[in-house]
Amino acid sequence: AQSVAQPEDQVNVAEGNPLTVKCTYSVSGNPYLFWYVQYPNRGLQFLLKYITGDNLVKGSYGFEAEFNKSQTSFHLKKPSALVSDSALYFCAVRERPGGFKTIFGAGTRLFVKA
Amino acid sequence: ETGVTQTPRHLVMGMTNKKSLKCEQHLGHNAMYWYKQSAKKPLELMFVYSLEERVENNSVPSRFSPECPNSSHLFLHLHTLQPEDSALYLCASSQGDREDEQFFGPGTRLTVL
Repeated sequence: AQSVAQPEDQVNVAEGNPLTVKCTYSVSGNPYLFWYVQYPNRGLQFLLKYITGDNLVKGSYGFEAEFNKSQTSFHLKKPSALVSDSALYFCAVRERPGGFKTIFGAGTRLFVKA
Repeated sequence: ETGVTQTPRHLVMGMTNKKSLKCEQHLGHNAMYWYKQSAKKPLELMFVYSLEERVENNSVPSRFSPECPNSSHLFLHLHTLQPEDSALYLCASSQGDREDEQFFGPGTRLTVL
C-alpha cells in the first residue's frame, strides 16, 4: 500500500541550530516529492519539491531537502533554525507518470526555542 | 483578491442541517481539490476536479456532495453529517497534475453537533 511516514510527531530545536524533519515513503516507481508547511489557522503552503536531477533541492525560507532513492527518504533540512519556523510540516508524494492523487504524511510539529 | 479563498471560515451545524462550503481560486488553475484534515491524521483527499470534471472520488460518504460549476469555483454540499465529520476542510488548486504543487486555502473549521 502507498504510504508516507513522518516518524516524529514533534521536533524540538534551539534557534540557530540545524534542523531535520524526516520523511520516508512507500510508493511504486519514482514519485514526485513535496514538502508543505502549515502555520496556525492557515492552509498549507508549498515549500519545495523534487522532480528529477540533483538530489538536494532548495526551497523557500532557506529550507532544503535531500532525496535518497535507496532509502526512499526525503528529509527536510535547514542549516539554522528560526523561531518563526515553528509550524506543522507535511511531506507528500505523488506517483508518476501522472494523476492528481497526492499522499500526505501525518505531519511533524517543529518547535524552535529562542 | 489573490490565491485560494474559502468561506465560511467557521461553521457549526446540527446533524439535520444542510450547508455548503465554498472555494474560489484566482490563480487560473485547472484542477481543484477538497481535503479533510483531522487532528494527528494525514490529510485525506476527498475529491478532485480537473477542467470541471470529477477525476478522483476517494470513497467519500454520500452526505458530502461536491460541485464544480467552473474552473474557478468549487463547492462542498453537506447534509445529515455526523459528529465525526467535524474537521478542517481544505480546498486547494493546481495548474495541472504530476509535478505541479498545490495552493491551499485557509480552510473551513466545521463542527457538527
